[in-house]
Amino acid sequence: KQEVTQIPAALSVPEGENLVLNCSFTDSAIYNLQWFRQDPGKGLTSLLLIQSSQREQTSGRLNASLDKSSGRSTLYIAASQPGDSATYLCAKEGKSTFGDGTTLTVKP
Amino acid sequence: DARVTQTPRDKVTEMGQEVTMRCQPILGHNTVFWYRQTMMQGLELLAYFRNRAPLDDSGMPKDRFSAEMPDATLATLKIQPSEPRDSAVYFCASGTGLTGELFFGEGSRLTVL
Repeated sequence: KQEVTQIPAALSVPEGENLVLNCSFTDSAIYNLQWFRQDPGKGLTSLLLIQSSQREQTSGRLNASLDKSSGRSTLYIAASQPGDSATYLCAKEGKSTFGDGTTLTVKP
Repeated sequence: DARVTQTPRDKVTEMGQEVTMRCQPILGHNTVFWYRQTMMQGLELLAYFRNRAPLDDSGMPKDRFSAEMPDATLATLKIQPSEPRDSAVYFCASGTGLTGELFFGEGSRLTVL
């Protein structure tokens, strides 16, 4: 059973575009949701952690929101750059339930 | 710069051999997780520990895998005997509690021939 779903699986955009990555989860009983970035051959790097009591978190060009009622989180990337190219994963409670990720390619 | 350290980074071995992967969690973190990542299955949780005690290892094949925390600075994942289907990248992650922010190591890439 896939508890966390990420759509789209892959996304390609030109440099400078704003974009949104989606994460859906089936169980609304959530403590937190964490977004990660993974570069090829590397480990996962934590980007943002949203606690269940929060609605959003911001770090630089990244903004993550959490809507428990609809079972959704979005990661907004502003003014995308080629260096943003990576796979982005979301995880519920950051423990056992990861999405399969969205692979982002930002073209110069 | 606090980080999770994993060794070895790469391991190639033959089927039937014992493999031990090691992880040094971030100092002060009391929760340690072991994951396996493959193209087919994505990230799978194998086991996790809190305050060195195993809380859940239901994701691990019990007959060949074992995970331990001999002390607060070392977590180990052992496979004996290894099989080709164990080929994957194994990640260790640490955090504070089960709902705190999670930090990953760079992973150990295992290839079993």
